[in-house]
Amino acid sequence: DIQMTQSPSSLSASIGDRVTITCQASQDISNYLNWYQQKPGKAPKLLIYDASNLETGVPSRFSGSGSGTDFTFTISSLQPEDIATYYCQQYDNVPPITFGQGTRLDIK
Amino acid sequence: QVQLVQSGADVKKPGASVKVSCKASGYTFSGYYINWVRQAPGQGLEWMGWINPDIGGTNYAQKFQGRVTMTRDTSISTAYMELSSLRSDDTAIYYCARLKLTADQGDYWGQGTLVTVSS
Repeated sequence: DIQMTQSPSSLSASIGDRVTITCQASQDISNYLNWYQQKPGKAPKLLIYDASNLETGVPSRFSGSGSGTDFTFTISSLQPEDIATYYCQQYDNVPPITFGQGTRLDIK
Repeated sequence: QVQLVQSGADVKKPGASVKVSCKASGYTFSGYYINWVRQAPGQGLEWMGWINPDIGGTNYAQKFQGRVTMTRDTSISTAYMELSSLRSDDTAIYYCARLKLTADQGDYWGQGTLVTVSS
């Protein structure tokens, strides 16, 4: 199975900051990577698909990059409503589908 | 609009089984796999498996092999996930989801079902 290692596990930032989260796959997954946002008590919401494509309706301050084994998720200017936990998810050579362990983002 | 509506919260004793339902609407049920993902309290997301509603074929994560059964009833556009031999560490929110695994698909999740395992 492909393992996804996400870092950091938690992160504090100020409003307006640029925030970066990384995800590393245990083997080459091409660009078969999604990024999700999950707020407390809610189901995950897809933000980025195929590593770098913005899902419809998602603000442009969110972006993703990378291919192969190393991926980056960026919020260009942190907003209060971005406080959440973020997960990467790989879907290359499935099943199984696997998730990173999550990054909890809060306000400094 | 696409919707996945799950059954309500449930409490079970250790050793029992639980069956969670997921009713789909707004699209052709047989056309898209239904995945099941769970989340223990304060923990991350864990994929349990999927079912192809068209033919009923399934694939389960190795961790759940032998304890999980995913089925569907196409006449009512509903998928089911049954987990047996419940333990306290099966306490979690269980989600059904139509995951975006190709660019032309959408990504849709049910509201989640809390299953509590307690004696």
